[in-house]
Amino acid sequence: EDKVVQSPLSLVVHEGDTVTLNCSYEVTNFRSLLWYKQEKKAPTFLFMLTSSGIEKKSGRLSSILDKKELFSILNITATQTGDSAIYLCALSAPNAGNMLTFGGGTRLMVKP
Amino acid sequence: DVKVTQSSRYLVKRTGEKVFLECVQDMDHENMFWYRQDPGLGLRLIYFSYDVKMKEKGDIPEGYSVSREKKERFSLILESASTNQTSMYLCASSSLGQGAGDTQYFGPGTRLTVL
Repeated sequence: EDKVVQSPLSLVVHEGDTVTLNCSYEVTNFRSLLWYKQEKKAPTFLFMLTSSGIEKKSGRLSSILDKKELFSILNITATQTGDSAIYLCALSAPNAGNMLTFGGGTRLMVKP
Repeated sequence: DVKVTQSSRYLVKRTGEKVFLECVQDMDHENMFWYRQDPGLGLRLIYFSYDVKMKEKGDIPEGYSVSREKKERFSLILESASTNQTSMYLCASSSLGQGAGDTQYFGPGTRLTVL
């Protein structure tokens, strides 16, 4: 059974801090790993990672995948209060319907 | 922009009632999904559909059924609501292609309370 574990469960930092969120996984057939940000309502897509060692970057957010050690990290530099959210990691494996397996999420709170 | 809409943002129902949650997407996506989200448990897949009239059970289908009569619409049905079905329900859709199809677009969610 595919499994995704995120850590930490929750995190409180001050504005300007850098944070690293972790996602480890177990999967039979890997296709991609995705990161989502969820504020008050729907999760919004951040990154999709398919290859090891290639950093994806968007502004202050970046993410990288290690397919040998089976994990991914999401980095946020110079955090802002608007970064407060639940960050979800999800795994995609080849199957009908592009089903995703989600981790439990990391709740990030950024204090002013 | 992909738009996924859900029929209600908040819903309060009584135990034993039949509940319909509707989801509509406007991007001609083949795949549609229903999740529930509970604190500490993340998103759990209830059912998904990869074509009209096709459905597949997810991780927690018990107590739920679904209907997909049209490509753009995917309904989640609670035949007889119970208090343990109080949750946030999220609908998502994605295209069929590998890679880009992995990205699921979510609706705003329906917070259902069963009394």
